Amino acid sequence: DAGVIQSPRHEVTEMGQEVTLRCKPISGHNSLFWYRQTMMRGLELLIYFNNNVPIDDSGMPEDRFSAKMPNASFSTLKIQPSEPRDSAVYFCASSPRLAGHEQYFGPGTRLTVT
Amino acid sequence: AQSVTQLDSQVPVFEEAPVELRCNYSSSVSVYLFWYVQYPNQGLQLLLKYLSGSTLVKGINGFEAEFNKSQTSFHLRKPSVHISDTAEYFCAVSEWNNNDMRFGAGTRLTVKP
Repeated sequence: DAGVIQSPRHEVTEMGQEVTLRCKPISGHNSLFWYRQTMMRGLELLIYFNNNVPIDDSGMPEDRFSAKMPNASFSTLKIQPSEPRDSAVYFCASSPRLAGHEQYFGPGTRLTVT
Repeated sequence: AQSVTQLDSQVPVFEEAPVELRCNYSSSVSVYLFWYVQYPNQGLQLLLKYLSGSTLVKGINGFEAEFNKSQTSFHLRKPSVHISDTAEYFCAVSEWNNNDMRFGAGTRLTVKP
């Protein structure tokens, strides 16, 4: 199994631009999670989906952030417009929808907004 | 909702010394507990997990953790650390009826020669 795939691995953009991060979960996993990691705030859960449906988006910082999961094998996290304070590493993770099952993390996307 | 507290943000130790990374959780229901490791520029990897049964759980790379329900703790231990164990370690908790996982702030373990 290829594991969770994220693209791009690195993204550098200017303030005000739209940024789209992509994630392909492990096949057969029906829960998908987006996290943001910074030195100041640590690892934050932004949103998670079960069976392609958003369950909890209370961690999404503001309306500039949006996430979609159009099918079981693909999800996007979009920031529009981006700001320097959005600079962070964004992780996607997936798991079977089973209580007690661990989450499998992708390698992350390092976003730098200048 | 469940929460996790990692009591030490940084733990420096010398190579071949024992180490304990502390984790306490809070929840009103039964929980599952996890330890993850993050090496530089990588995602998180599972070290070990506690679901039920024996309170002493063994994981990869010689790590183990003990679930203590009365103290609501799940401390991670290794009897002899290596330079390669230098990494960030995260404790996480999920409740028995869902897979929403909450992570602690992390503990940076630095192993010195």
